[in-house]
Amino acid sequence: DVKVTQSSRYLVKRTGEKVFLECVQDMDHENMFWYRQDPGLGLRLIYFSYDVKMKEKGDIPEGYSVSREKKERFSLILESASTNQTSMYLCASSTRDLVYEQYFGPGTRLTVT
Amino acid sequence: QKEVEQDPGPLSVPEGAIVSLNCTYSNSAFQYFMWYRQYSRKGPELLMYTYSSGNKEDGRFTAQVDKSSKYISLFIRDSQPSDSATYLCAMTPRGGDTGRRALTFGSGTRLQVQP
Repeated sequence: DVKVTQSSRYLVKRTGEKVFLECVQDMDHENMFWYRQDPGLGLRLIYFSYDVKMKEKGDIPEGYSVSREKKERFSLILESASTNQTSMYLCASSTRDLVYEQYFGPGTRLTVT
Repeated sequence: QKEVEQDPGPLSVPEGAIVSLNCTYSNSAFQYFMWYRQYSRKGPELLMYTYSSGNKEDGRFTAQVDKSSKYISLFIRDSQPSDSATYLCAMTPRGGDTGRRALTFGSGTRLQVQP
């Protein structure tokens, strides 16, 4: 069974803090993705990575950065958290070719106060 | 205008009803069309995918794609309370080394099947 795990289910941070969200997958997938999910807006892509140390911006990269030092791990970094980054963050992975079949983690509910 | 439009619902139906969920899209480059199901407090999971136009059936679920109308549907026959979830359509031009590797999602339709 494919497993994608995320470091926290719930996180509360203060405005201006640096926030790290970690994602680990155990299926040797090349692609990894970070989305945020907001009511009425669906899932929006923040960043994705198709290989170690490789990354591409998604639709809403502003205020975020990512790191992929190992194939199985993809980190999302909020350099200076703001209240409009309060959201559900979902990590996903897929093989290089089967992009349509993405496996998602359970999500991290981040609240920035 | 969003690239993918999906009615957010909620949609409430009695057990045993036929459910129709729909999405429209504007990008004619989309080739793969997916339906993901998301239970409360869980991540989405792939339910079905279709390449290009046509129908695909899997048990009680049927996915339809009409590329000429830029319209996709998911039908659920004999709906069950366990089908209660949010259903997200998703699309992508192609996979592999070329083109965008990520998916474009609709906003999701919340479905409630009443026992």
